[in-house]
Amino acid sequence: AQSVTQPDIHITVSEGASLELRCNYSYGATPYLFWYVQSPGQGLQLLLKYFSGDTLVQGIKGFEAEFKRSQSSFNLRKPSVHWSDAAEYFCAVGAYNTDKLIFGTGTRLQVFP
Amino acid sequence: DAGVIQSPRHEVTEMGQEVTLRCKPISGHDYLFWYRQTMMRGLELLIYFNNNVPIDDSGMPEDRFSAKMPNASFSTLKIQPSEPRDSAVYFCASSLGTGVFSTAFFGQGTRLTVV
Repeated sequence: AQSVTQPDIHITVSEGASLELRCNYSYGATPYLFWYVQSPGQGLQLLLKYFSGDTLVQGIKGFEAEFKRSQSSFNLRKPSVHWSDAAEYFCAVGAYNTDKLIFGTGTRLQVFP
Repeated sequence: DAGVIQSPRHEVTEMGQEVTLRCKPISGHDYLFWYRQTMMRGLELLIYFNNNVPIDDSGMPEDRFSAKMPNASFSTLKIQPSEPRDSAVYFCASSLGTGVFSTAFFGQGTRLTVV
């Protein structure tokens, strides 16, 4: 069965510092991978997605993620964090033969000035 | 387009009462998803529709939960009777085309508190 693990529940970084949020997935075939962001009181917004091709994916708001099949990972990165990036981030996995996304439990990002 | 619209934004109800959550998807989208978000279980898919037809309701926790989509522009999620453990944020999302390949747009959610 598909599953997603986000090992870090809460991360705190200083504004301007680099960021990496971890995501590990479990799926037997090629997964379809997503990162969503949820700002306080808001719904989820898609940051980026990976289906195939280049394993480094660029998204909105300066985020990128790298698919590493050997590590079953799809970590989200940003070189310089802004205070407005404070939010909760969700990794999700989907399969070719289903319309469903399976979400991780999320990582809450706090940004200090 | 105004995006996915959910109502109400907040709902407080007493245990045993019926609760109805509403969702208006983005016009033209053919998939609609209902999710529940809790601290303990994260974001769970409850049910989804394609062209107003329920496709998979395996995530619906029990018979107290029901969902309908009478037309392409409206869906409801009903809990009857409600219990305190139903307290959560319920999200509706819609997408165009096959769910996994398409971007799902989420509403702002309904925060349900059952006391």
